[in-house]
Amino acid sequence: EVQLVESGGAVVQPGRSLRLSCATSGFTFADYAMHWVRQAPGKGLEWVSGIRWNSGSVVYADSVKGRFTISRDNAKNSLFLQMTSLRAEDTAFYYCVKDDSPQPSYFDFWGQGTLVTVSS
Amino acid sequence: VLTQSPSASASLGASVKLTCTLSSGHSTYAIAWHQQQPKKGPRFLLRLNSDGSHNKGAGIPDRFSGSSSGAERYLTISSLQSEDEGDYYCQTWGAGIVFGGGTKLTVL
Repeated sequence: EVQLVESGGAVVQPGRSLRLSCATSGFTFADYAMHWVRQAPGKGLEWVSGIRWNSGSVVYADSVKGRFTISRDNAKNSLFLQMTSLRAEDTAFYYCVKDDSPQPSYFDFWGQGTLVTVSS
Repeated sequence: VLTQSPSASASLGASVKLTCTLSSGHSTYAIAWHQQQPKKGPRFLLRLNSDGSHNKGAGIPDRFSGSSSGAERYLTISSLQSEDEGDYYCQTWGAGIVFGGGTKLTVL
């Protein structure tokens, strides 16, 4: 059974940093691209960032480019999102998402999410 | 790139057809449909190609099916159940990863 478990969500002040983690199991992590998708309270889904199977290519939404960094550790079956210079508009549930392919395509499994609240 | 109606409703036991429209220049793209029940994370339903062929996610009931016509991609849910209520999102990846705005489905 595929499992994606996010952690690291917290309440943080504007301008501070936070690191999210996603522990995975039930599939060969190194074979697939992975993503982070977020959802602000009461809003729709917004893709944040994606990383290819071998970390050879990373992509970001314009809204987070230069502030967020996605990474992965294939030996530990884990995905990460380093978030810096956080803003109020970054407040959202952050979902770890498995891709169906080694490079970005469609998402076939979702985690349950971790909540990031940016507030003073 | 992807346009969805904000809301839809149908009666318990009936069928409903949700629409996701691809913008001009992207009409041949495949999409994926995702369901989000209230207070839960999203769940992948199916991938839908431009020719209407589709493959469903693990454990998705036969009540869920997909079809295509031109730039329109459809999700049909038959024999509606109360647990089908929630938000439905389409997603494409042909021009970067993009989600539609979502359709809120109410089961009456």
